[in-house]
Amino acid sequence: QKEVEQDPGPLSVPEGAIVSLNCTYSNSAFQYFMWYRQYSRKGPELLMYTYSSGNKEDGRFTAQVDKSSKYISLFIRDSQPSDSATYLCAMRVMMDSSYKLIFGSGTRLLVRP
Amino acid sequence: ETGVTQSPTHLIKTRGQQVTLRCSSQSGHNTVSWYQQALGQGPQFIFQYYREEENGRGNFPPRFSGLQFPNYSSELNVNALELDDSALYLCASSRLVPSNTGELFFGEGSRLTVL
Repeated sequence: QKEVEQDPGPLSVPEGAIVSLNCTYSNSAFQYFMWYRQYSRKGPELLMYTYSSGNKEDGRFTAQVDKSSKYISLFIRDSQPSDSATYLCAMRVMMDSSYKLIFGSGTRLLVRP
Repeated sequence: ETGVTQSPTHLIKTRGQQVTLRCSSQSGHNTVSWYQQALGQGPQFIFQYYREEENGRGNFPPRFSGLQFPNYSSELNVNALELDDSALYLCASSRLVPSNTGELFFGEGSRLTVL
């Protein structure tokens, strides 16, 4: 079983729809929870990061963390064709004197005009 | 403020060859991490460098090695290339301080194809 599970999609929605992207994880040692957006043939771009359970909002994006259920979500309101990309959840875990990110496999999102 | 830059953007090698990928970290960042992203997968942690020393490593064999230079730029070297090494190699930089969230900022990646 992978440490981080993410539905690969693709998820196809009409422009203006509310999008819900989700990840589950198994390791209680995960500290910070992040969402990255990756356009085709580009590097991942950090969208949101959260530490505690609850919601964090930034413009059209809301990140939600439920540590008791080991479940995180990213909501996109008023989705736009420019939001079409792969969304990666990532979780930070400490290793001795450093840390690493464990990524989900990514969900492909297509927003249709 | 310049972002993370990587070179080359694309390259093709044959099995058994060696490759060196380069990364310049974002201004003000002192830590560099390397990740491998296979097609359709999320990035996987290779290793991290801080103060020119490797201070964390993922599940990759010793033929994957790296360097960090005094100006915080970095290299990833892969020896004895295998077909499965074909992937997008991502460099990420951050500021490693105790209170920092450890946000990683990624470059555009170097796409390696091994034939």
